[in-house]
Amino acid sequence: KAGVTQTPRYLIKTRGQQVTLSCSPISGHRSVSWYQQTPGQGLQFLFEYFSETQRNKGNFPGRFSGRQFSNSRSEMNVSTLELGDSALYLCASRGGPSDTQYFGPGTRLTVL
Amino acid sequence: QKEVEQNSGPLSVPEGAIASLNCTYSDRGSQSFFWYRQYSGKSPELIMFIYSNGDKEDGRFTAQLNKASQYVSLLIRDSQPSDSATYLCAVNSGTSGTYKYIFGTGTRLKVLA
Repeated sequence: KAGVTQTPRYLIKTRGQQVTLSCSPISGHRSVSWYQQTPGQGLQFLFEYFSETQRNKGNFPGRFSGRQFSNSRSEMNVSTLELGDSALYLCASRGGPSDTQYFGPGTRLTVL
Repeated sequence: QKEVEQNSGPLSVPEGAIASLNCTYSDRGSQSFFWYRQYSGKSPELIMFIYSNGDKEDGRFTAQLNKASQYVSLLIRDSQPSDSATYLCAVNSGTSGTYKYIFGTGTRLKVLA
């Protein structure tokens, strides 16, 4: 069974730009969560999508948004990038009888 | 009080020793508990999960859960330098249909050769 995939793996943007990250979950998993990880803040929950609906949301500004498609693939968008948005963005797919969450390899975003 | 608490470490143990990592959680209704290992610059990797009180063993790893005391621990036997990483405790908390994963900030483990 293929794991969680994320694209792109690395991204460099400048302040004020916007970015879209993509995540494909494990086949059969309907839940996709997004996290931001920085050295100072650890793993911060952004939001979770389940069957195309946002089910849970963290404490991030409205510049961070997401969506999920009918095939469970998810995208995350960050508008008006700030230097502080530089981080590893992790997508996690959740499902199965144990409702276990598995992480993708992450997208490393650098904002200059 | 944080929902899931872990000692940030670093926890240093000599090679071959037992490493003991601890985690406490605040939501008594939490149903399932997970341990992830994260190497520097990489994404978290699931090590094991536990639902029931007691011990669960998988190779060199043992997860221990005590719901009455609201703690979960991870023991790593015969620690190896390759076990050096940050270990994240996660708790699946909430009500049916709204369960969400809550992560601790992680404990950094250093196994000294």
